[in-house]
Amino acid sequence: KAGVTQTPRYLIKTRGQQVTLSCSPISGHRSVSWYQQTPGQGLQFLFEYFSETQRNKGNFPGRFSGRQFSNSRSEMNVSTLELGDSALYLCASTRWLTSTDTQYFGPGTRLTVL
Amino acid sequence: KQEVTQIPAALSVPEGENLVLNCSFTDSAIYNLQWFRQDPGKGLTSLLLIQSSQREQTSGRLNASLDKSSGRSTLYIAASQPGDSATYLCAVPPQGGSEKLVFGKGTKLTVNP
Repeated sequence: KAGVTQTPRYLIKTRGQQVTLSCSPISGHRSVSWYQQTPGQGLQFLFEYFSETQRNKGNFPGRFSGRQFSNSRSEMNVSTLELGDSALYLCASTRWLTSTDTQYFGPGTRLTVL
Repeated sequence: KQEVTQIPAALSVPEGENLVLNCSFTDSAIYNLQWFRQDPGKGLTSLLLIQSSQREQTSGRLNASLDKSSGRSTLYIAASQPGDSATYLCAVPPQGGSEKLVFGKGTKLTVNP
């Protein structure tokens, strides 16, 4: 069974640009969550999607947005990039919208903003 | 607001040593607690998940315990190996609130051959 995949693995952008990251969950999983990991703040929850609807949202500005498609694949978008957006962006999937299941993480997308 | 703390931030041990990693959380109203491993620049690998009704879980050389009342969990690694070198993170899904998982900042473990 294939794991969670994320594309691209690495991205370099400049301030002010926008970026779109993609996440494909494990087959049969319908919930996708996104996290930002930085050396200073650690892992922080961005948002969760289930059945194409955002169900939970962390404390991030509106420049961070996402969506989920009918096949459960998800994208996140960051507009007007800032230097502080440089981070490893991880997505995770679970079968259902529940907090009792193991979350399976992808390898991440490393975003560098210059 | 749930806060998760991991002590120590870094740990270096010789190969073969048994070791304990600590995780504490401020709000005992949790569904479960999950331990992850992260290799440098990589994603997270789930190691163990302990449901709130359980006291411990075991997988191979790993044993995780949970004491909800005191807000603590420990990850015990037996007979450590150089391949165990990684950052270990614990995380809890808080009851209520909007966050899916709240993570500690991790313990970076180095096992020296």
